[in-house]
Amino acid sequence: AQSVSQHNHHVILSEAASLELGCNYSYGGTVNLFWYVQYPGQHLQLLLKYFSGDPLVKGIKGFEAEFIKSKFSFNLRKPSVQWSDAAEYFCAVGGGTSYGKLTFGQGTILTVHP
Amino acid sequence: GAVVSQHPSWVICKSGTSVKIECRSLDFQATTMFWYRQFPKQSLMLMATSNEGSKATYEQGVEKDKFLINHASLTLSTLTVTSAHPEDSSFYICSAGGGDNEQFFGPGTRLTVL
Repeated sequence: AQSVSQHNHHVILSEAASLELGCNYSYGGTVNLFWYVQYPGQHLQLLLKYFSGDPLVKGIKGFEAEFIKSKFSFNLRKPSVQWSDAAEYFCAVGGGTSYGKLTFGQGTILTVHP
Repeated sequence: GAVVSQHPSWVICKSGTSVKIECRSLDFQATTMFWYRQFPKQSLMLMATSNEGSKATYEQGVEKDKFLINHASLTLSTLTVTSAHPEDSSFYICSAGGGDNEQFFGPGTRLTVL
């Protein structure tokens, strides 16, 4: 069975600081990888996704993620966070024998101080 | 992107009553929809996979007789929480499946059982 682990439950940064949120998964087959964001009071929105090809994926709002197959990781990064990036971020994995299903990580709450 | 709606967004009911939650894909046809449950400060837990025209597939530990799922058309899936109890209080989220494991999420329904 697939599992997804996000390293930090709560990250606190100042505006303009760099962000990296860790995500590791435990499935050795072909996977699709996603990062979703949930702003307060809103629904989950897709930030970016990886299916194949270039392991460095660029998403919306200046976010990017790097798929490192050997480390089973898909970390999310942003060079300079803004106050408006405060939200909860979820890493998710799909594929393999769980075709169509997504397994979510625990989520990371990002707080940004002005 | 694809739009998924849920209705109602918030419902309060008495213990022992049943509550129906609707999930609609507004601008595309969804053969597969998914129902999740999200507890406070926790991740999304997949409850069941809803396939149009067939029975839903429930995840281990989810009571199929308590959480009735119907997917009668390509744009509508419903989740009925039967004989609801306070422990069923939660945030219920649906999603509609796109290609390559991508899912489009609804805004969620907050259920409070008194």
